[in-house]
Amino acid sequence: NAGVTQTPKFQVLKTGQSMTLQCAQDMNHNSMYWYRQDPGMGLRLIYYSASEGTTDKGEVPNGYNVSRLNKREFSLRLESAAPSQTSVYFCASRVTGIHGYTFGSGTRLTVV
Amino acid sequence: DQQVKQNSPSLSVQEGRISILNCDYTNSMFDYFLWYKKYPAEGPTFLISISSIKDKNEDGRFTVFLNKSAKHLSLHIVPSQPGDSAVYFCAASAVAGGTSYGKLTFGQGTILTVHP
Repeated sequence: NAGVTQTPKFQVLKTGQSMTLQCAQDMNHNSMYWYRQDPGMGLRLIYYSASEGTTDKGEVPNGYNVSRLNKREFSLRLESAAPSQTSVYFCASRVTGIHGYTFGSGTRLTVV
Repeated sequence: DQQVKQNSPSLSVQEGRISILNCDYTNSMFDYFLWYKKYPAEGPTFLISISSIKDKNEDGRFTVFLNKSAKHLSLHIVPSQPGDSAVYFCAASAVAGGTSYGKLTFGQGTILTVHP
């Protein structure tokens, strides 16, 4: 019962470097989401995918791109990392019609 | 503009007593509310939810109250246990019209510490 798996768990990048955060779910969920968690800000939605083949911007999309590779996988890409993107990133998924999400354990990203 | 607010960054209670965590929202389109619990180095996990057609939902030691006129919800934990020590997030969703795609808007979180 893996649920939602995120890789890597930790990453340190230099300003300007690029990287892709991976997320996969094995629950056959239709919708997937990327959030970032910052102190005092709660969790803020970056991008989401309502279903396979569709993606949409959330509250804080600037500096990020996403790919819904298939029903299982939803990746988040930072093309040119900035210190402001230092955060903990959470991927989540849900079944259509159910309100609650299942979250992954997060990726802690530091940009220096 | 923070549409969901948890104005208390932290709360400390004694084991066995009641913990009350509060949450306010501004968007009148929100019609479904959830509470999540988060331990360090883990993802948030779903705790309890309530639809706007109800004013109370209970699950064991956890009860959520919704006051729509005040745009306020609260989570009561009775009795509190040391294992309840975690960060609690409230979240809201606007389902009406079917266009929300399940997007949740989260509050800032409240750190609950339950002392033995």
